[in-house]
Amino acid sequence: DAGVIQSPRHEVTEMGQEVTLRCKPISGHDYLFWYRQTMMRGLELLIYFNNNVPIDDSGMPEDRFSAKMPNASFSTLKIQPSEPRDSAVYFCASSTRTSGGTNTQYFGPGTRLTVL
Amino acid sequence: AQKVTQAQTEISVVEKEDVTLDCVYETRDTTYYLFWYKQPPSGELVFLIRRNSFDEQNEISGRYSWNFQKSTSSFNFTITASQVVDSAVYFCAPGDSGGGADGLTFGKGTHLIIQP
Repeated sequence: DAGVIQSPRHEVTEMGQEVTLRCKPISGHDYLFWYRQTMMRGLELLIYFNNNVPIDDSGMPEDRFSAKMPNASFSTLKIQPSEPRDSAVYFCASSTRTSGGTNTQYFGPGTRLTVL
Repeated sequence: AQKVTQAQTEISVVEKEDVTLDCVYETRDTTYYLFWYKQPPSGELVFLIRRNSFDEQNEISGRYSWNFQKSTSSFNFTITASQVVDSAVYFCAPGDSGGGADGLTFGKGTHLIIQP
């Protein structure tokens, strides 16, 4: 079975440009999460969706960040305009609640973003 | 909200030694889940194990074992007879009563180096 798919794997852009990161969750999963990993802050949750609806976006750093999930198989994280401090690895994860009540998240390979 | 402390920033051992990674968590939930993830040098995040708070039975899986002590809020992870391929950053992550449905709170991680 295919895991979580993220694209692009690497993105280098210049300050001020718009960046769009993409994620395809595991088929059948109804939860989707966006995380960011930096050396200074570690892994932090940005936003998550349940059944395509944003549930908690309190981790989104500022208005320059936005995320959408137009359907069950696709989500985007957009940064506009990008700044050097946005440089990080962005992970997408998906999950579904099992009959036992657990909700194990499976992560994509990540997108390494560099903003010059 | 959950909090997690991984006090060991980096551990270096020689191959075949046993090594234990410590994790202390805080949560206000009466039932909750605990997760361990591994991040090898290639960068992906790999799910290792989850435990629920009402099952304190320790578990052994091959060379890996986990020690969950609810009384001390600890969820430690041991690798027996370590191998070079075990070199990675290991993250402990408490989840909520929904089994992680509200997103995971990751520790800073422990960088494990296995020297040949």
